[in-house]
Amino acid sequence: GAGVSQSPRYKVAKRGQDVALRCDPISGHVSLFWYQQALGQGPEFLTYFQNEAQLDKSGLPSDRFFAERPEGSVSTLKIQRTQQEDSAVYLCASSLAAEAFFGQGTRLTVV
Amino acid sequence: AQSVTQLGSHVSVSEGALVLLRCNYSSSVPPYLFWYVQYPNQGLQLLLKYTSAATLVKGINGFEAEFKKSETSFHLTKPSAHMSDAAEYFCAVSDDGNNRLAFGKGNQVVVIP
Repeated sequence: GAGVSQSPRYKVAKRGQDVALRCDPISGHVSLFWYQQALGQGPEFLTYFQNEAQLDKSGLPSDRFFAERPEGSVSTLKIQRTQQEDSAVYLCASSLAAEAFFGQGTRLTVV
Repeated sequence: AQSVTQLGSHVSVSEGALVLLRCNYSSSVPPYLFWYVQYPNQGLQLLLKYTSAATLVKGINGFEAEFKKSETSFHLTKPSAHMSDAAEYFCAVSDDGNNRLAFGKGNQVVVIP
């Protein structure tokens, strides 16, 4: 596609609910990143894939967070048993060389 | 681990005046440095990047930044602010161009007519 696409754009979840956030990277981009952006803050790294391999997941805040990219293209970030502190914008980025292209993000609100 | 510091979360500038956003970085290896802009309800857009070539980097929309190793800085400037420059600006560092980015907290720029 023309850019990185994320869905849904907005998600409201009740505390304790599981959510799944989708990222469609730019076709052919090998690297894919997930970031979490809390209100008024800069994005914070969550995890990184090269093709289908998850090379770095050091930024995932707890074992409730899980990401996958099974075929090296689309990626899903799953959050289990959501809590209020998970409320944030989740950004996906893909890159081929030294430039990351970001999607518009998914705004997650946990109530 | 790399990190960047951006001071002053909100920056007000008059239309036509100089825009100056400061960024200082910390990195154990020669860094890759980036400035991104974020308009409301939109994703991050790359303004410019430093990847160890020329120290003065020109980007889109009339912005430029200068890499100063001695000062560990990568400040962003634009000679004359436009109303359309109102947005949030983030400085970021990476230890190579294809790895995780470490972002600063951002500067919200307000342009006063």
